[in-house]
Amino acid sequence: NAGVTQTPKFRVLKTGQSMTLLCAQDMNHEYMYWYRQDPGMGLRLIHYSVGEGTTAKGEVPDGYNVSRLKKQNFLLGLESAAPSQTSVYFCASRFRQDSSYEQYFGPGTRLTVT
Amino acid sequence: RKEVEQDPGPFNVPEGATVAFNCTYSNSASQSFFWYRQDCRKEPKLLMSVYSSGNEDGRFTAQLNRASQYISLLIRDSKLSDSATYLCVVNIRNSGGYQKVTFGTGTKLQVIP
Repeated sequence: NAGVTQTPKFRVLKTGQSMTLLCAQDMNHEYMYWYRQDPGMGLRLIHYSVGEGTTAKGEVPDGYNVSRLKKQNFLLGLESAAPSQTSVYFCASRFRQDSSYEQYFGPGTRLTVT
Repeated sequence: RKEVEQDPGPFNVPEGATVAFNCTYSNSASQSFFWYRQDCRKEPKLLMSVYSSGNEDGRFTAQLNRASQYISLLIRDSKLSDSATYLCVVNIRNSGGYQKVTFGTGTKLQVIP
């Protein structure tokens, strides 16, 4: 199993450009998450999904959109990138019924907006 | 006040030493607690859950103090490979039944030869 994969691993955008980050998991997990991690801020939840076709806002959703058309994929879109969106983005997933609530993370996408 | 607070460190300790980190949480309704480990420029990975009675996994011991609202992680006989950032994670079930997960900013540990 590949686990959780993220595409791309690195990206540099100019202000105003758009892009989509792809997260894929092959563990048949129901729940999927997008986080951003900034120095001194910890991991902050952007959006999450509890199943195919459903998404919900997290702590810092502004400037991002998501879609979960297939159970194994969770896409994060930046409509008009801003320098404040420079960050490391992590995708995670977990089983709905897992009593340990363990989240499995992807390797991250390092995004720089100039 | 932050929902989850950790001392960012770094904690620089010699090999073989015992080191402990604390993490405080502000919401008394918090239900479950975890420690994750994050290596430099890598993704976080679950280290261990924290149970009310305390639990041990090899050299690692986790404890929960609900009265004072903190959890702790004790590492005995530190190894160079323990060098990492340790993230405290707290779950709260909201009114909709969803588990809100809050990550601390992490405590950096550097084990020195």
